[in-house]
Amino acid sequence: DAEITQSPRHKITETGRQVTLACHQTWNHNNMFWYRQDLGHGLRLIHYSYGVQDTNKGEVSDGYSVSRSNTEDLPLTLESAASSQTSVYFCASSVGLAGYEQYFGPGTRLTVT
Amino acid sequence: RKEVEQDPGPFNVPEGATVAFNCTYSNSASQSFFWYRQDCRKEPKLLMSVYSSGNEDGRFTAQLNRASQYISLLIRDSKLSDSATYLCVTYNFNKFYFGSGTKLNVKP
Repeated sequence: DAEITQSPRHKITETGRQVTLACHQTWNHNNMFWYRQDLGHGLRLIHYSYGVQDTNKGEVSDGYSVSRSNTEDLPLTLESAASSQTSVYFCASSVGLAGYEQYFGPGTRLTVT
Repeated sequence: RKEVEQDPGPFNVPEGATVAFNCTYSNSASQSFFWYRQDCRKEPKLLMSVYSSGNEDGRFTAQLNRASQYISLLIRDSKLSDSATYLCVTYNFNKFYFGSGTKLNVKP
């Protein structure tokens, strides 16, 4: 069955380190998204991509970057981890945009100490 | 102002009760609307899309009021398994916007 996976599921890192969170989907969806979820804020969009070599900033993109070299993967990199980036990170994909469902990965719980 | 606002709850209801949630959105140009369900520490999953004419899926009914810019979700005959957080989502200008969610607890 097609799916979307994230790794690692849990990560503890130190302030200042570079961290990369992986996201892999097997639906062949063009659209992929990264969100973070914090209490009181709901899901906030970090970066998104509408296809290979396409990346766009979301509402909370500072300190994060993504690259899209193939359809299946959209890794999220924290350039220099900060305590404010402690959060749960969800990756999602969709076949279309308006009116289309997003499928979410299981999430990565990141703690920056 | 947030794009999408929801009452965080929790709504505590007995099994079999009918419960309704509202969600307001700020952008009148929003094109699509959804309700997602999120169980504790799990990923969100689509519950239903919301259409202009309103739509029903079993015990769940969703309504859209464009004039007042709100979306509603009605759950009839609540089950214990309905306990979750319900996220209101809108789509406009190529982005999805999520509300913070409304927590529902269904008690025996």
